[in-house]
Amino acid sequence: GAVVSQHPSWVICKSGTSVKIECRSLDFQATTMFWYRQFPKQSLMLMATSNEGSKATYEQGVEKDKFLINHASLTLSTLTVTSAHPEDSSFYICSARVGGRGETQYFGPGTRLLVL
Amino acid sequence: LAKTTQPISMDSYEGQEVNITCSHNNIATNDYITWYQQFPSQGPRFIIQGYKTKVTNEVASLFIPADRKSSTLSLPRVSLSDTAVYYCLVGVPTGFQKLVFGTGTRLLVSP
Repeated sequence: GAVVSQHPSWVICKSGTSVKIECRSLDFQATTMFWYRQFPKQSLMLMATSNEGSKATYEQGVEKDKFLINHASLTLSTLTVTSAHPEDSSFYICSARVGGRGETQYFGPGTRLLVL
Repeated sequence: LAKTTQPISMDSYEGQEVNITCSHNNIATNDYITWYQQFPSQGPRFIIQGYKTKVTNEVASLFIPADRKSSTLSLPRVSLSDTAVYYCLVGVPTGFQKLVFGTGTRLLVSP
């Protein structure tokens, strides 16, 4: 199957700083990538849909100015948590899908963010 | 988007067959049914996908009745390493269509 990587796998930062998380499709081109957030013992919550070369589409309740998404190439999407606060501490997971084919989504390993 | 309903949790023992059923009454004509497995602190892993009848791969089988309003994931002879959360998702797996995760089923396999 296709491989999706994320970097970093975990990050600890101080409140008020910004954190960038990278999502890469390693062996395929992804026209669409998705960003999820998962709190302990809960399901994955879709945050936004990222399309290469265009603005991301955010789910209701997700602040676009706080969670900046950039999908500059067919293999890379980034999520920047701006001015992070302790309540942003969570497990962030990206997924990628090859456009135009009957493929399913392939998920990255996730990034654990802890804001102190 | 079709909503899915699964049992919150299930218990089993090693070597048994486990069947997890998912209800999706509002499934649309073009929707596929996809199951994922997730271990703690890892991203979901694709298990199986189907549209109708039965699909089988090396790890599981997926049974879908004619009305497609439910589906059953069957795990043969589970082991301790199958302890995980299993998610049933319904949607169109192509293009820009998004998939929304439900609550999932937490499977605990005991010795």
